[in-house]
Amino acid sequence: SAVISQKPSRDICQRGTSLTIQCQVDSQVTMMFWYRQQPGQSLTLIATANQGSEATYESGFVIDKFPISRPNLTFSTLTVSNMSPEDSSIYLCSVAGTITGEQFFGPGTRLTVL
Amino acid sequence: KNEVEQSPQNLTAQEGEFITINCSYSVGISALHWLQQHPGGGIVSLFMLSSGKKKHGRLIATINIQEKHSSLHITASHPRDSAVYICAGGGGADGLTFGKGTHLIIQP
Repeated sequence: SAVISQKPSRDICQRGTSLTIQCQVDSQVTMMFWYRQQPGQSLTLIATANQGSEATYESGFVIDKFPISRPNLTFSTLTVSNMSPEDSSIYLCSVAGTITGEQFFGPGTRLTVL
Repeated sequence: KNEVEQSPQNLTAQEGEFITINCSYSVGISALHWLQQHPGGGIVSLFMLSSGKKKHGRLIATINIQEKHSSLHITASHPRDSAVYICAGGGGADGLTFGKGTHLIIQP
């Protein structure tokens, strides 16, 4: 199993600012995933982050808006840039177990943009 | 791209009832995941299936690869089972594609 922590757990931000969300895993993992859950909706994959390479973004998500860093095998950050109220969501990071493929999720970061 | 459909969207039942949540997906997947999300947002993985059936306590998950269909069953349901249950397809390098979730309420 993997234990994942995220910081901050929640934040309230002003329109036009940026927020960086941190994700820390207690074991080394090759791939980390960032998801967004808008109010009342299910999760949507934003991007996949591999250590040592550029993140791969899903359709509708771009690097300028959601830059991702992956400096090592246990850590990643997601920045939500130039925020608008539409960015108000829960942002979750996730990893897949290397042996079983089971998915493990962080507790999420609840972002409110005013 | 894989589409994942769940039903029902909402389900209210009495304590002790047998619960079934269904999930269909449109293209072949490496695995089908059942997840549980409690109020507050935390997500827990319940099952990962690529074939057959798995059981954990009062929870049972089945998958039919040919029909691209999976079900999650809860036996002897309890109010603490109240949560959102989400099925998701894929995994590995591709991440997951999620269904919209089933909001389950078990009344005492």
